[in-house]
Amino acid sequence: GENVEQHPSTLSVQEGDSAVIKCTYSDSASNYFPWYKQELGKGPQLIIDIRSNVGEKKDQRIAVTLNKTAKHFSLHITETQPEDSAVYFCAGKIQGAQKLVFGQGTRLTINP
Amino acid sequence: SAVISQKPSRDICQRGTSLTIQCQVDSQVTMMFWYRQQPGQSLTLIATANQGSEATYESGFVIDKFPISRPNLTFSTLTVSNMSPEDSSIYLCSVGAGGAGELFFGEGSRLTVL
Repeated sequence: GENVEQHPSTLSVQEGDSAVIKCTYSDSASNYFPWYKQELGKGPQLIIDIRSNVGEKKDQRIAVTLNKTAKHFSLHITETQPEDSAVYFCAGKIQGAQKLVFGQGTRLTINP
Repeated sequence: SAVISQKPSRDICQRGTSLTIQCQVDSQVTMMFWYRQQPGQSLTLIATANQGSEATYESGFVIDKFPISRPNLTFSTLTVSNMSPEDSSIYLCSVGAGGAGELFFGEGSRLTVL
């Protein structure tokens, strides 16, 4: 089955700097890769996703890149702000399946 | 997206008891799922709640421990049976909504078992 590895487990950056979180997946049949942000005491919120037919997707300060050959994808947050502090999860889904497999999560802290 | 409401939002229970968590969606959805998030951990799929038939459980989860109901396309329940402290977790309802198959989550039900 699919396995998703995420790193780093914790990341601390200065406000205004960029943050990058990386994930690798094992099953080449995976074709959908969402990213979730989970704030303390809340459920995961879908912030951006990418499908295997594109290499990059951007939404304001957030971007995701996908390298199908290497089977890895990354979340990039630019101009970080204190409200970006949260736990971020990547996930992968195999084509034709409904199940999302999650990475271990990254606790991002933005220092003012 | 869909608006997903879970009840209770949190509860403290005694070991050996059972608790039923409800998930209500504001629109009809085909796919509903239940996830568990142990303290400080990632999300693990418990089961897919199927409307009109038995839920499909993932490896390591059984119906006797986590019975699930799905009477219609907007509602599901998850029961955590005969609870022990190891069941202390956040239980999350998730639905497939949106034209591209995105999954959305409720706010979770935070369960503490003493």
